[in-house]
Amino acid sequence: DAGITQSPRHKVTETGTPVTLRCHQTENHRYMYWYRQDPGHGLRLIHYSYGVKDTDKGEVSDGYSVSRSKTEDFLLTLESATSSQTSVYFCAIREEDTQYFGPGTRLTVL
Amino acid sequence: EDKVVQSPLSLVVHEGDTVTLNCSYEVTNFRSLLWYKQEKKAPTFLFMLTSSGIEKKSGRLSSILDKKELSSILNITATQTGDSAIYLCAVANAGGTSYGKLTFGQGTILTVHP
Repeated sequence: DAGITQSPRHKVTETGTPVTLRCHQTENHRYMYWYRQDPGHGLRLIHYSYGVKDTDKGEVSDGYSVSRSKTEDFLLTLESATSSQTSVYFCAIREEDTQYFGPGTRLTVL
Repeated sequence: EDKVVQSPLSLVVHEGDTVTLNCSYEVTNFRSLLWYKQEKKAPTFLFMLTSSGIEKKSGRLSSILDKKELSSILNITATQTGDSAIYLCAVANAGGTSYGKLTFGQGTILTVHP
């Protein structure tokens, strides 16, 4: 599992509330990624990080922000959750040329 | 914009059948192509392909890349019910801070009936 944990694993929230998802890794990987997975779309990249305080946008970054203040933690924040952000969120790390995924967080926005 | 298309989107077979899953791509700065298997949890890595014509094999699964045709296939022989999953294809970018960034296809849902 490449030492990746995500928290929470499940969350139900209401429209308009802020939500933060956490990805934690124990193996000092430089690159970390946040994806969302929806039926018919595969995985789509939200944001990624290539080092502490170094982040960049992916293809579906609107409505999301990230922070990485230390190597082991990569946080994804929905400033004001909307129903369209109901999804399964996966964190990943890059090891050599391959990405390995965390267990995922299922988020439901009512 | 990088693009990855998989076909078919879904496939239903019986145990023992052989299946071929397809992946085609348009990428500005190709580095590698990866295949993942996803059951009811996180995707798990199967293969990474970087060179044309060299087959990667693991048990009953094999994959090959054709850089001229910008495509790859994943073959599964003698399918088993445990092969039922979503198979994801992804292409890695080779440029700058985008290095290693993956673009995924929609996935192929494979269902294997006993």
